[in-house]
Amino acid sequence: ETGVTQSPTHLIKTRGQQVTLRCSSQSGHNTVSWYQQALGQGPQFIFQYYREEENGRGNFPPRFSGLQFPNYSSELNVNALELDDSALYLCASSTGGAGGYTFGSGTRLTVV
Amino acid sequence: GDSVTQMEGPVTLSEEAFLTINCTYTATGYPSLFWYVQYPGEGLQLLLKATKADDKGSNKGFEATYRKETTSFHLEKGSVQVSDSAVYFCALATSNFGNEKLTFGTGTRLTIIP
Repeated sequence: ETGVTQSPTHLIKTRGQQVTLRCSSQSGHNTVSWYQQALGQGPQFIFQYYREEENGRGNFPPRFSGLQFPNYSSELNVNALELDDSALYLCASSTGGAGGYTFGSGTRLTVV
Repeated sequence: GDSVTQMEGPVTLSEEAFLTINCTYTATGYPSLFWYVQYPGEGLQLLLKATKADDKGSNKGFEATYRKETTSFHLEKGSVQVSDSAVYFCALATSNFGNEKLTFGTGTRLTIIP
């Protein structure tokens, strides 16, 4: 059983650029959530996808968007990058229900 | 809204000491409660969970009991090891029309000294 894999592991972008982060969910998991973890903080919920539809969103602006594909893999897109977007971005997949989340190791994004 | 308050860190203990990391929460409805652990350079790993009041979650010698009356889910371990050094996050999950999201505390960094 494979876990959740994220790519790339590290990324450096310039302010104003756009970035796409990718996530392959664990086999059999149809729900994917994305979290932003700033340095020294707990993860913050960005949004969740279930069967290719957005199924809930946290307090993030529209320049944070996502996709889920038929194989349940997912992308997080961030437009017009700001310095404060520098963080570890975590993807988590589940089958739904109470807390069956498996997290990936994350993508460390640095905006300069 | 939902929130989780964790014991401020960092926490430094000697090997074989007793560990308690306090966690309290505010939530509407009946959340599920979790402890996650994050080792350096890695993502989050589920340590234990409890889905209803008075449930006790346990794993690898760690325990936490869901206390609805005190809205708490304190993490305990009787004898810590150097390998337990990590950041620990308390979290709750609430479900709204099938959308379940996790709300995390700020994390507690634990360092165990040999």
